[in-house]
Amino acid sequence: SQTIHQWPATLVQPVGSPLSLECTVEGTSNPNLYWYRQAAGRGLQLLFYSVGIGQISSEVPQNLSASRPQDRQFILSSKKLLLSDSGFYLCAWRGNEGTEAFFGQGTRLTVV
Amino acid sequence: KNQVEQSPQSLIILEGKNCTLQCNYTVSPFSNLRWYKQDTGRGPVSLTIMTFSENTKSNGRYTATLDADTKQSSLHITASQLSDSASYICVVKGSGTYKYIFGTGTRLKVLA
Repeated sequence: SQTIHQWPATLVQPVGSPLSLECTVEGTSNPNLYWYRQAAGRGLQLLFYSVGIGQISSEVPQNLSASRPQDRQFILSSKKLLLSDSGFYLCAWRGNEGTEAFFGQGTRLTVV
Repeated sequence: KNQVEQSPQSLIILEGKNCTLQCNYTVSPFSNLRWYKQDTGRGPVSLTIMTFSENTKSNGRYTATLDADTKQSSLHITASQLSDSASYICVVKGSGTYKYIFGTGTRLKVLA
């Protein structure tokens, strides 16, 4: 069966520090991968999606970047965090033939 | 502009009561609509998914309906339980796109 792992679950980082959130998927190959951010009381905002290794599409201009070094690995990064980067980050995957997106457990990022 | 709007924003009901959550969308062309349940601090978990030709879909005490003509969906929860307390998110995927459009969710609180 397919599983998605996202870590860490919570993270507190100072302003200006770097960020690296990792997401891996098991039990499938060539998934579509997504990074979302969910601000308090708001809907999920798509940040990046990837249809293959090294293929990253950015949805909104921001202080973050994403990379897909391996087929089932998706990384969200920042060189210097801003206070506004605080939020709940969710990784999701979808099979090429599937219609449903499956979510990781999320990372609560607090920038102080 | 592709949008998904949910109502009400929040809802409080007593345990054992029924409730109905609403979702209106403007996404076109339409591919599918799904309802997710998101517990606080966790990733969303899929409840139901419906395509254009499906009018209703049940998952235990959860029943979703879809009217593709009016672009409306509802999620009916029967005999609510305390564990139903969560945010319920309506998500629409357009045809020919990798992107999902998320509603802002309805926060449901079930009281004993």
